[in-house]
Amino acid sequence: GQNIDQPTEMTATEGAIVQINCTYQTSGFNGLFWYQQHAGEAPTFLSYNVLDGLEEKGRFSSFLSRSKGYSYLLLKELQMKDSASYLCAVRPGTYKYIFGTGTRLKVLA
Amino acid sequence: EADIYQTPRYLVIGTGKKITLECSQTMGHDKMYWYQQDPGMELHLIHYSYGVNSTEKGDLSSESTVSRIRTEHFPLTLESARPSHTSQYLCASSNSVPQGDGYTFGSGTRLTVV
Repeated sequence: GQNIDQPTEMTATEGAIVQINCTYQTSGFNGLFWYQQHAGEAPTFLSYNVLDGLEEKGRFSSFLSRSKGYSYLLLKELQMKDSASYLCAVRPGTYKYIFGTGTRLKVLA
Repeated sequence: EADIYQTPRYLVIGTGKKITLECSQTMGHDKMYWYQQDPGMELHLIHYSYGVNSTEKGDLSSESTVSRIRTEHFPLTLESARPSHTSQYLCASSNSVPQGDGYTFGSGTRLTVV
């Protein structure tokens, strides 16, 4: 079967650093994506990894280890507006994705 | 501005009615998708399209149909709405190249069947 696991909820303090982990088991691998989704809104694309290593984009970084089926999203200098769900998605083949259930992050003042 | 649009944003409809959810994009993307998402749950693929006159079924497709007559338009039709169809429906599009661009999602249609 195909499976993506993420923690359900995380809480962190404004200004801190938080790491959201994602493990996956899929029939193939052609890229891993992270999306941010605020309550009641559509997901927005954050990052993409297809090779092992770290991709950095401002306050957000994403890491991938294909041999371990593991990724994490690192958020630095947390802001209140970062309170949202973070979805990990894997593209096993050419176009379709498999999404995890998402990690709901609460940022506290 | 290039974007992806879904209408209606909210819809309350009675059981047994036929409904069509609209999705249009102005980005020239060749790939389009419909996902269903319940609160706090993962997105489930309903249908997808690789291009004009090409449609494929996803995981939850048995009670709905789609068409792709024009590149920019990908409507989803429920022939007979049921309370179990109550959910949020998200339309998305993507380009084949570059592969790392990810999906662009519409704002969604929140459907309630009473």
